[in-house]
Amino acid sequence: DAKTTQPPSMDCAEGRAANLPCNHSTISGNEYVYWYRQIHSQGPQYIIHGLKNNETNEMASLIITEDRKSSTLILPHATLRDTAVYYCIVIHAGNMLTFGGGTRLMVKP
Amino acid sequence: EAGVAQSPRYKIIEKRQSVAFWCNPISGHATLYWYQQILGQGPKLLIQFQNNGVVDDSQLPKDRFSAERLKGVDSTLKIQPAKLEDSAVYLCASSLVSGAPSSYNEQFFGPGTRLTVL
Repeated sequence: DAKTTQPPSMDCAEGRAANLPCNHSTISGNEYVYWYRQIHSQGPQYIIHGLKNNETNEMASLIITEDRKSSTLILPHATLRDTAVYYCIVIHAGNMLTFGGGTRLMVKP
Repeated sequence: EAGVAQSPRYKIIEKRQSVAFWCNPISGHATLYWYQQILGQGPKLLIQFQNNGVVDDSQLPKDRFSAERLKGVDSTLKIQPAKLEDSAVYLCASSLVSGAPSSYNEQFFGPGTRLTVL
């Protein structure tokens, strides 16, 4: 499975969009990009995933570059409850999740 | 729908003692996972079950860790004897079985058990 690189931490103002980048330059054609988040003292929570196309759900949007070497998770209107560690994971379908260090997002009032 | 249940939520033991954690996955989920999360790190997979069979236990320290899922539903993870470095949060997760190449691998996690070994 491809390795990912994320910034260790980011800040975002409440109500603004939070854009979390992920680099996965060694991704192969059949690997998916998954995003999970982990709020303090809770287990990780699935957010969104994609293969090639951009994806949107009620929680977030996932923008994948055309060459698939990087992606951005967008939280359109961040709230204080979005403060968490966000993990970008690239895996083949059906493979086990491998969590890296993630990005610690701090949403500030 | 009810989520993944784990107990206990917290456990403090002394080194060389034994400890067991329990997990009840989401109803109908055939796949169950145990992860270890050391403070400041991402979760690390220890073992994966498909029904009551082990799919992958390559990262499980088998000299002291054991896990079972006898009836393909609940699971227990045991540590015997515990070491100081076993202090961590132990997370259980479950997912539906899906083999289609275009499907996704969504795992639902429980709240975890925080183990402190003194």
